[in-house]
Amino acid sequence: LAKTTQPISMDSYEGQEVNITCSHNNIATNDYITWYQQFPSQGPRFIIQGYKTKVTNEVASLFIPADRKSSTLSLPRVSLSDTAVYYCLVGDPLFGSNDYKLSFGAGTTVTVRA
Amino acid sequence: DTGVSQNPRHKITKRGQNVTFRCDPISEHNRLYWYRQTLGQGPEFLTYFQNEAQLEKSRLLSDRFSAERPKGSFSTLEIQRTEQGDSAMYLCASSTTSGSYEQFFGPGTRLTVL
Repeated sequence: LAKTTQPISMDSYEGQEVNITCSHNNIATNDYITWYQQFPSQGPRFIIQGYKTKVTNEVASLFIPADRKSSTLSLPRVSLSDTAVYYCLVGDPLFGSNDYKLSFGAGTTVTVRA
Repeated sequence: DTGVSQNPRHKITKRGQNVTFRCDPISEHNRLYWYRQTLGQGPEFLTYFQNEAQLEKSRLLSDRFSAERPKGSFSTLEIQRTEQGDSAMYLCASSTTSGSYEQFFGPGTRLTVL
């Protein structure tokens, strides 16, 4: 059973804001929401993580409503170089430790056009 | 460069041959993960080390797969008697903080089994 659901693809143009919404209806109380970015032929890269309300860093913003059943990754003023696959993940604990394995779905392919 | 490195970057082999991949994590990272990614899919967890101890293995890791991390530094992933279904990108990631979702990925090793 997939832990998260997100759109398969999104198209945008340079300079626009891109918002990707992820559903995680069964998120556990202590789960964080994490987003990764992956360019072709590269490993994924951590973008942002949050628990509730809003988190912002130099790359993106993450909006999480009070019920935490969804989250929205916002990429401001995208450029061609933001074309990538974006993954939304929630916690998947590793047995016997405080660590987590990352359970990726298929992600959202964002294509930015000139 | 102080990132995660993986060697080789590409490997082409014939079915039935054995292959071995190497991962060098970021030097101070004691946690190391292996993932496998097939075309159009997100990475799938294979196994996890904390220092030299292999603490979890996915059911995806059949008995033809073995991973080691001697002395808690670099790690190797060996596939014996390769099959065409083993063709994939093999990704290594490392992290340092307990309970963190932020893992640092290497560029991966692309395996093609003919």
